[in-house]
Amino acid sequence: DAKTTQPNSMESNEEEPVHLPCNHSTISGTDYIHWYRQLPSQGPEYVIHGLTSNVNNRMASLAIAEDRKSSTLILHRATLRDAAVYYCILRYGGSQGNLIFGKGTKLSVKP
Amino acid sequence: DVKVTQSSRYLVKRTGEKVFLECVQDMDHENMFWYRQDPGLGLRLIYFSYDVKMKEKGDIPEGYSVSREKKERFSLILESASTNQTSMYLCASQGRNTGELFFGEGSRLTVL
Repeated sequence: DAKTTQPNSMESNEEEPVHLPCNHSTISGTDYIHWYRQLPSQGPEYVIHGLTSNVNNRMASLAIAEDRKSSTLILHRATLRDAAVYYCILRYGGSQGNLIFGKGTKLSVKP
Repeated sequence: DVKVTQSSRYLVKRTGEKVFLECVQDMDHENMFWYRQDPGLGLRLIYFSYDVKMKEKGDIPEGYSVSREKKERFSLILESASTNQTSMYLCASQGRNTGELFFGEGSRLTVL
């Protein structure tokens, strides 16, 4: 699986939008972009994934650059419960099996 | 709500003890995984299974074994626990038609 690069940490204020960036310059045409997050003392949980088009779900939005070399996870209104480590992962489309979790971005949310 | 349940959130064991970590999923998933997570090292895959009675080694299988006698249950076994196996252990399951992993809450094991 191709490599991703994320900032180690970010801070946000409560009720403000948060944009979490991810660079994946070596992405291949069949790689999906997955995002997971891990709350303190919990296992990781799925957030969202996409291939080319922007995606929205109840948790977040995923904005994918036109050249697909970067993407941004958007939390529209951060809450204290969104404080977590966010992982951006590439996965070959249609495959199953292990996901390789990097170090992710630790998001802190201030009241 | 889909669920992956790990038997114990916290365990304390002594060096040399045999340790069983149990994981049960209620989603009828074929694939199940065991990871350990350590500060600065991220999640590392220990073993995984794509079907009942099947098992495959992950990146760090040494000192561990697994058992998958039923589809819903995947057990991690430490035959003789050592202090370097003190860690957070995470179980996950995955359906064959989707790449999404569902994780349990984790089991924090301390070996004294």
